[in-house]
Amino acid sequence: DVKVTQSSRYLVKRTGEKVFLECVQDMDHENMFWYRQDPGLGLRLIYFSYDVKMKEKGDIPEGYSVSREKKERFSLILESASTNQTSMYLCASSLGGLRDSAYEQYFGPGTRLTVT
Amino acid sequence: AQSVAQPEDQVNVAEGNPLTVKCTYSVSGNPYLFWYVQYPNRGLQFLLKYITGDNLVKGSYGFEAEFNKSQTSFHLKKPSALVSDSALYFCAVSPLSGSARQLTFGSGTQLTVLP
Repeated sequence: DVKVTQSSRYLVKRTGEKVFLECVQDMDHENMFWYRQDPGLGLRLIYFSYDVKMKEKGDIPEGYSVSREKKERFSLILESASTNQTSMYLCASSLGGLRDSAYEQYFGPGTRLTVT
Repeated sequence: AQSVAQPEDQVNVAEGNPLTVKCTYSVSGNPYLFWYVQYPNRGLQFLLKYITGDNLVKGSYGFEAEFNKSQTSFHLKKPSALVSDSALYFCAVSPLSGSARQLTFGSGTQLTVLP
């Protein structure tokens, strides 16, 4: 089974702090994604990466950055946390290439971040 | 740009009755469509997908979905609901292009199956 792990299930940070959310997958997937999940808004894509050191902005990248130095690890960084970044953050991974299976994303359990 | 609409925030159904969770989509060209489920305190799990072929797609846990091109819909169905099906369900669509097959998700539908 594909396993996607996230460094913390719950995190509480103060406004202005720099926050790192870590995600690791163990299936050699090329693609990795960061979403935030908010009630009534579903999942919104923040950033994704299709290869090491490659990244692309998603729908809501403002206030976030990412890092992918190794294939299995994708980090989300909140440079200066704000209260409106309080949310559930979900990491996902998928195979690369043009095959149909590349559309199937595998998700981690999520990190519930509270910024006070 | 592609989009997905889940018109119902909440669906309640009695155990043993058939259930339907609705999804409509908007996309240029042929859609790739997906359903995911999120159980309490757990990450999203893939249920099923439509890429090409039969309009009726079968997935995990006895779920199926019907692709209707003329109505631009991809409704999730199950003939007989179980209490354990209670969860948050998300429909998603993928564009044909894009380097990483990114998905656009709907807002989610909370399904409650009543005993």
